[in-house]
Amino acid sequence: EVQLVESGGGLVQPGGSLRLSCAASGFTFSRYWMRWFRQAPGKGLEWVASISQDGSEKYYVDSVRGRFTISRENAKNSLFLQMNSLRAEDTAVYYCARTLQGGSDYWGQGLLVTVSS
Amino acid sequence: DIVMTQSPLSLPVTPGEPASFSCRSSQSLLRRDGYNSLAWYLQKPGQSPQLLVYLGSNRASGVPDRFSGSGSGTDFTLKISRVEAEDVGVYYCMQAVQTPITFGQGTRLEIK
Repeated sequence: EVQLVESGGGLVQPGGSLRLSCAASGFTFSRYWMRWFRQAPGKGLEWVASISQDGSEKYYVDSVRGRFTISRENAKNSLFLQMNSLRAEDTAVYYCARTLQGGSDYWGQGLLVTVSS
Repeated sequence: DIVMTQSPLSLPVTPGEPASFSCRSSQSLLRRDGYNSLAWYLQKPGQSPQLLVYLGSNRASGVPDRFSGSGSGTDFTLKISRVEAEDVGVYYCMQAVQTPITFGQGTRLEIK
């Protein structure tokens, strides 16, 4: 059974940092592109970042480029999102997701990140 | 950036009746291989999004055959042949032909 389990969220002050993790199981992690999405309270879905199978290609939405870094460790079936210089507008539920044929077919349960003083 | 526009924003439907969701993109989503990079998701209340359709018209694994996707280029449609109570939630279309990947604003399906 495919599972994606996120961890590392919580409350952080503006300007602070958090590192989100996503533990993958039930599939060959190294064969898939992976993505991070987010959803601000009461709002729609937003793509945050994507990473290729070997980590050599990374893409970001403009609002996080230079502050967030997506990475992966295939040997540990893990995906990460390092978030620095956090702002109030980064407050959201963050999801990791597997990519298949352009779509994202498996999603994690979601992780709340709250940026507030 | 590609802008995705969904309509209607709210869709009240009687169980057993059909439902249709529209999604339009500001640029063509047709890839060089002939596939459209358009996916549909359903986010049920309190849950993570679930993939319904990918590449415009391919039903994801486990998705009931009452769901169908169609369209090409800039105009896409998701149809439910007979709505059931469990179909309640927000339906999103998403393009992945280029970054940034973008979503429509969503259509909320409610049961009459």
